[in-house]
Amino acid sequence: DQQVKQNSPSLSVQEGRISILNCDYTNSMFDYFLWYKKYPAEGPTFLISISSIKDKNEDGRFTVFLNKSAKHLSLHIVPSQPGDSAVYFCAALFSNDYKLSFGAGTTVTVRA
Amino acid sequence: ETGVTQSPTHLIKTRGQQVTLRCSSQSGHNTVSWYQQALGQGPQFIFQYYREEENGRGNFPPRFSGLQFPNYSSELNVNALELDDSALYLCASSLFGGGRGDTQYFGPGTRLTVL
Repeated sequence: DQQVKQNSPSLSVQEGRISILNCDYTNSMFDYFLWYKKYPAEGPTFLISISSIKDKNEDGRFTVFLNKSAKHLSLHIVPSQPGDSAVYFCAALFSNDYKLSFGAGTTVTVRA
Repeated sequence: ETGVTQSPTHLIKTRGQQVTLRCSSQSGHNTVSWYQQALGQGPQFIFQYYREEENGRGNFPPRFSGLQFPNYSSELNVNALELDDSALYLCASSLFGGGRGDTQYFGPGTRLTVL
């Protein structure tokens, strides 16, 4: 039962433009959301997170937006750089829990 | 400060065999979580070990078992391997159970192929 879904397996974007990655979840009890980035032959690394009490969190070029009513979050990368080419995973947590529920990932390719 | 390491990098086994995967935690971390990432899917939580005790388990059968040692390194054991066990196995270390995922640090994974 996939509770976190990333419906776009891949995304291609030109360098300098905006990348928008989408994630939907089904369980309204999730209250903390994270984005991880994964390069080949490496483990996922934490990118940015957001608590359910917020609707936006920004860290440099990365911004995560949360729409609780729609059970939807998105990651914006502006501007996109070649080093951003990777697989991006959306993940969710229940309150005070540690078991990450991941989506299937979106492969981002930034074209020069 | 050393990061999370896993061994071996790749492994090929046949159906019915047993396998042991190893994980060394990041320095200072006392909690290890294991995840299975099948091809085309996101990581799925297997279990977590905190201070040498299992501290939670995902939807995996008992033939998936683990150990944590006094130095907080960990093993994942899988008995009676099935073809569907072919996956990337990731471990993540954290401090005090990693209540928020941004404190979980992942290793590079072990790629297991079951023939």
